[in-house]
Amino acid sequence: EIVMTQTPLSLPVTPGQPASISCKSSQSLLHTDRKTYLYWYVQKSGHPPQLLMYEVSNRMSGVPDKFSGSGSGTDFTLKISRVEAEDVGVYYCMQSIQLPPTFGQGTKVEI
Amino acid sequence: QVQLQQWGAGLLKPSETLSLTCVVYGGSFSDYYWSWIRQPPGKRLEWIGEINHSGGTNYNPSLKSRVTVSVDTSKRQFSLNLRSVTAADTAVYYCGRRYGGFDSWGQGTPVTVSS
Repeated sequence: EIVMTQTPLSLPVTPGQPASISCKSSQSLLHTDRKTYLYWYVQKSGHPPQLLMYEVSNRMSGVPDKFSGSGSGTDFTLKISRVEAEDVGVYYCMQSIQLPPTFGQGTKVEI
Repeated sequence: QVQLQQWGAGLLKPSETLSLTCVVYGGSFSDYYWSWIRQPPGKRLEWIGEINHSGGTNYNPSLKSRVTVSVDTSKRQFSLNLRSVTAADTAVYYCGRRYGGFDSWGQGTPVTVSS
């Protein structure tokens, strides 16, 4: 199965400052259909994960544009341009180019 | 707006069978895969398996020998059976809708396996 590795695992942030999370996959996530099957989620305490970004850089409806995703092949990044208190949570990357879908370990963003 | 609501027993003894059901409100039932995902304490999310509206299934190889996912399209429900549970199966279990990513999730069911 494809292994997803996130860094850092803990990310203390200052409100108003940017934040960046890295995700690396053990195999390329670029499909022959030219889509890259990399997703980002955030899980806030006591809630299920929420899909933030799909196919690397596409924001889900309602996700503010302070969130951006980038990368290709096996290396990906989620950036928050200006962190706010409401952004606290655990962020996960996930791949679904190959079954089973697999998740990163999670990055805990805290203020 | 799709909503997933799940239910099932939250406390099991070793060797028992975990059974959960998820009902889907709203949205298309036929255009997606319907999945089960779990989150053991302190560990990463783990996909268990999925089913589509016609009964086609996919399972995580690590759990395949103990898992059955079934569907009742008339009720817009799908279910998880996990046999011969051990303490290692203690986790929060989620149902989810997958089209690439998981864009809708159930509320989660904490399941504890303890003698």
